[in-house]
Amino acid sequence: DTAVSQTPKYLVTQMGNDKSIKCEQNLGHDTMYWYKQDSKKFLKIMFSYNNKELIINETVPNRFSPKSPDKAHLNLHINSLELGDSAVYFCASNSDRANTGELFFGEGSRLTVL
Amino acid sequence: GDSVTQMEGPVTLSEEAFLTINCTYTATGYPSLFWYVQYPGEGLQLLLKATKADDKGSNKGFEATYRKETTSFHLEKGSVQVSDSAVYFCALSDQGYGQNFVFGPGTRLSVLP
Repeated sequence: DTAVSQTPKYLVTQMGNDKSIKCEQNLGHDTMYWYKQDSKKFLKIMFSYNNKELIINETVPNRFSPKSPDKAHLNLHINSLELGDSAVYFCASNSDRANTGELFFGEGSRLTVL
Repeated sequence: GDSVTQMEGPVTLSEEAFLTINCTYTATGYPSLFWYVQYPGEGLQLLLKATKADDKGSNKGFEATYRKETTSFHLEKGSVQVSDSAVYFCALSDQGYGQNFVFGPGTRLSVLP
């Protein structure tokens, strides 16, 4: 059983399209995250949700909209895709109760915008 | 704000060589410190962690000690293997609500047979 699963793993699309990436965790965690990893492997947090409530919202274009229907899911919707959105997007989760707890990552979703 | 600095890579070593990857941090509070590893084509996974000063984290022959006086958390391994080839990320998390993790830029390690 995969602890944090993301779909799709690969996504190739044209500029201007709208796409979504889904994430689910079966660890019972209450906090979920989206990270963006660029071509140089630099990892940057985008959003964090705790029990469906937005906690961290870093400076990302408002074309990116996270949605958390329940605490086990955090989806990322991207409108009007641009070339610079090409990256690997990682979902992660952890338990807020374990204040020093580790992050559990999904395998990543590689988005390529043509 | 909090930040993490790592030595720039790539680092290329021969099998059985000694490894050190330097990591230093700045933080206003008392963060927990982590090393994550990313193997090719995979997500990040926790390698080791330390939650307070002078703690030593260890796993799979890797170790790192939380040094508050030098704000460092250097990763070491006495004898690397080809299978250790990966990207290594130093990270910290503050103690606040929502646990904002801050990652270093990553250091790519290549171990040659």
